[in-house]
Amino acid sequence: DAGITQSPRHKVTETGTPVTLRCHQTENHRYMYWYRQDPGHGLRLIHYSYGVKDTDKGEVSDGYSVSRSKTEDFLLTLESATSSQTSVYFCAIRPLLNTEAFFGQGTRLTVV
Amino acid sequence: DQQVKQNSPSLSVQEGRISILNCDYTNSMFDYFLWYKKYPAEGPTFLISISSIKDKNEDGRFTVFLNKSAKHLSLHIVPSQPGDSAVYFCAARAGAGGTSYGKLTFGQGTILTVHP
Repeated sequence: DAGITQSPRHKVTETGTPVTLRCHQTENHRYMYWYRQDPGHGLRLIHYSYGVKDTDKGEVSDGYSVSRSKTEDFLLTLESATSSQTSVYFCAIRPLLNTEAFFGQGTRLTVV
Repeated sequence: DQQVKQNSPSLSVQEGRISILNCDYTNSMFDYFLWYKKYPAEGPTFLISISSIKDKNEDGRFTVFLNKSAKHLSLHIVPSQPGDSAVYFCAARAGAGGTSYGKLTFGQGTILTVHP
């Protein structure tokens, strides 16, 4: 257990509404990442963080924003949800000296 | 531009036989390659990795081979077991420092089914 909790685990929302997904870690790791998983695309990086208030865009960041006001929480916000953002979202953490990242259980988001 | 590709969407093998999952990459700056396994409704779990300066890494039933000249890596599972049935993702890292921050680039995944 890498000490990662994602919430909610499932969410259905309407097009145009804002949505925030939460990733909470208990390990105080510096590096945190948000990925989305879609059939045929594998996992794609949305945003990542390398410290409190230090974040940057990944390869599919359009329509998403993030915030990290404290080490343990990394929030992903869909400003105005669209059907193309229906996906499974995974948060990951990476210990400083590790190559591998550890993933949370995922959040299944459906935008209707 | 897919920098990491897994061209086989699925693979089916018999229990006890070898499973070989393949992965190709295009970025010469990748310094580590990783394999993850994912069961339905769970997050990916790390399986094994290899540095770009090695050509083989073994961990129990799992061996990863790297061919840098061909920009190709493979994961061998011997012997395959029904519990190995999952989606396998290949991933690559372009360094841990600078602006890389240890980000991983993933392939599309291969669904492995091991039949009893």
